[in-house]
Amino acid sequence: RKEVEQDPGPFNVPEGATVAFNCTYSNSASQSFFWYRQDCRKEPKLLMSVYSSGNEDGRFTAQLNRASQYISLLIRDSKLSDSATYLCVVNSMDSNYQLIWGAGTKLIIKP
Amino acid sequence: GAVVSQHPSWVICKSGTSVKIECRSLDFQATTMFWYRQFPKQSLMLMATSNEGSKATYEQGVEKDKFLINHASLTLSTLTVTSAHPEDSSFYICSARVLKGYNEQFFGPGTRLTVL
Repeated sequence: RKEVEQDPGPFNVPEGATVAFNCTYSNSASQSFFWYRQDCRKEPKLLMSVYSSGNEDGRFTAQLNRASQYISLLIRDSKLSDSATYLCVVNSMDSNYQLIWGAGTKLIIKP
Repeated sequence: GAVVSQHPSWVICKSGTSVKIECRSLDFQATTMFWYRQFPKQSLMLMATSNEGSKATYEQGVEKDKFLINHASLTLSTLTVTSAHPEDSSFYICSARVLKGYNEQFFGPGTRLTVL
């Protein structure tokens, strides 16, 4: 079983729609959680950290469910520019704070 | 945010040659730098972790004699792919972290290596 699992997609979504995807992690000792965004042939860029209480940044909302060991990302009022691959990232002190990456979920927003 | 540069952005080389990739933190000192490799449609795979002034720690399955890492200063780490072969063609990305335990890593723009 992979340490961090994501549905690879692609998710094809019309502009303006709301889309959500999850990521599951296997290490119950995981402490920090992030969503990164990666455009084609570019480096990943931090989208948002995921806090225990959940957090929102504009159209983006991230949630953490420790009991079920998953995190989620919800995008409201999707824009064409949201098309990208969204990477779920987890780390823990027992892995020396190494980032463990999911393979990413590809999102395509269509006009 | 902090800026990390990588050079070159892309390189095409013949099989058997060695390629050096530089990773620099431009406006901060990085105690730790990481080297990742990403094949198409796959996740980033950590190759090695390097701390300034000490030997790099390689992940399982990564040949340290093939992928030479030097972290000579707090702002520069280099990855040399020795005797490159077509299967080494990939997207190589470095990242830098300021403090151990501080979660955020700052990524370089990546280097696309194509070995003919």
